[in-house]
Amino acid sequence: DSGVTQTPKHLITATGQRVTLRCSPRSGDLSVYWYQQSLDQGLQFLIQYYNGEERAKGNILERFSAQQFPDLHSELNLSSLELGDSALYFCASSPEQGPRRGYTFGSGTRLTVV
Amino acid sequence: AQSVTQPDIHITVSEGASLELRCNYSYGATPYLFWYVQSPGQGLQLLLKYFSGDTLVQGIKGFEAEFKRSQSSFNLRKPSVHWSDAAEYFCAVGAGLTGGGNKLTFGTGTQLKVEL
Repeated sequence: DSGVTQTPKHLITATGQRVTLRCSPRSGDLSVYWYQQSLDQGLQFLIQYYNGEERAKGNILERFSAQQFPDLHSELNLSSLELGDSALYFCASSPEQGPRRGYTFGSGTRLTVV
Repeated sequence: AQSVTQPDIHITVSEGASLELRCNYSYGATPYLFWYVQSPGQGLQLLLKYFSGDTLVQGIKGFEAEFKRSQSSFNLRKPSVHWSDAAEYFCAVGAGLTGGGNKLTFGTGTQLKVEL
């Protein structure tokens, strides 16, 4: 157990629908990152939050949004889902804003869009 | 922008043999370098990391990696591979971004198969 909790572990939904993925960071970590892993794109950085504020954005589609709440958990919202959004979505956390102390990953949410 | 290249998509080694997985990075400043391992259906587990200091870093499960600035490389090694080491291995570079954020950029991964 890495200490980063992601729910649900699996999600199957239809095209056009909206889903919410949840992440609880490791105790004491202030930064949360979201990554998408797919066969064709590999591991892609989506977005980073630090202590409730957005800090960095990567290849995140406009149909996707995220937020980090006062208790530091984060949610990734995916809307108007397409078949191509099927992927493994990882959350990672770190103690600070920068990369120096490394990142701890959760076990991921596997999203299947049918 | 930073990038990571893992030239070997698949590697097969016999159990007990030595292992070296290659990683080359591109980054303008001193990088933060990481190796992660992913077993099927699992998350990413950190094997080791390099920020500064001794260029030979030791990690978990008997792995080590050597940072070579002149070659922009951070290769992962293990003297004797165990069957349980079969997994996918990712090299990554962490870098700060304009605005104060940061991100990990991953290589495409190397799938390790261990023959008994």
